Amino acid sequence: GAVVSQHPSWVICKSGTSVKIECRSLDFQATTMFWYRQFPKQSLMLMATSNEGSKATYEQGVEKDKFLINHASLTLSTLTVTSAHPEDSSFYICSARLGGSTSTQYFGPGTRLTVL
Amino acid sequence: GENVEQHPSTLSVQEGDSAVIKCTYSDSASNYFPWYKQELGKRPQLIIDIRSNVGEKKDQRIAVTLNKTAKHFSLHITETQPEDSAVYFCAASRPGAGSYQLTFGKGTKLSVIP
Repeated sequence: GAVVSQHPSWVICKSGTSVKIECRSLDFQATTMFWYRQFPKQSLMLMATSNEGSKATYEQGVEKDKFLINHASLTLSTLTVTSAHPEDSSFYICSARLGGSTSTQYFGPGTRLTVL
Repeated sequence: GENVEQHPSTLSVQEGDSAVIKCTYSDSASNYFPWYKQELGKRPQLIIDIRSNVGEKKDQRIAVTLNKTAKHFSLHITETQPEDSAVYFCAASRPGAGSYQLTFGKGTKLSVIP
């Protein structure tokens, strides 16, 4: 149980294009989903918190117009990197929380984004 | 906000020995402390967690201890095996904080030498 999928697993795009990453909770309904960015050999950096049906809450320093998050249902959240640049190249990981008073997060397999 | 410090950043042990990773947190209201294992290029996997109403929790070769007074918690791995080699992250969360956001430590790269 508590499986989270992420698609695509890797993507290569040209500078200036937009890329959409999907995060799905496969066997549970996720009240909250989180988006992280991870640089090589570093920890997970929280980008934004996404609650179903409401606007995402972005962490300080994360541009909400560049990283568009949509949480349209209890099982799907999407992250769109708009007008991608090489410095956006990174490993993007989502996680999902079961809901209620539980803090447990289950992570997706991550998406490796390379912007040429 | 919460701040989580993790030590050591790297740890090498001989196969069969024990490994201990320590974390401290700053927010006394934090009440949930998970540990994640991440292999290269893979997702972080929850290996054990502890809540503030418990001082110790064990699952086979893995145990976590929590000292609320000192605000620190530790991961103990006994009888280490080569497949335990990975990066381990500790985290802390407090109720209601940003929809139960986790604050992560910087990670410990554990190498188990056969």
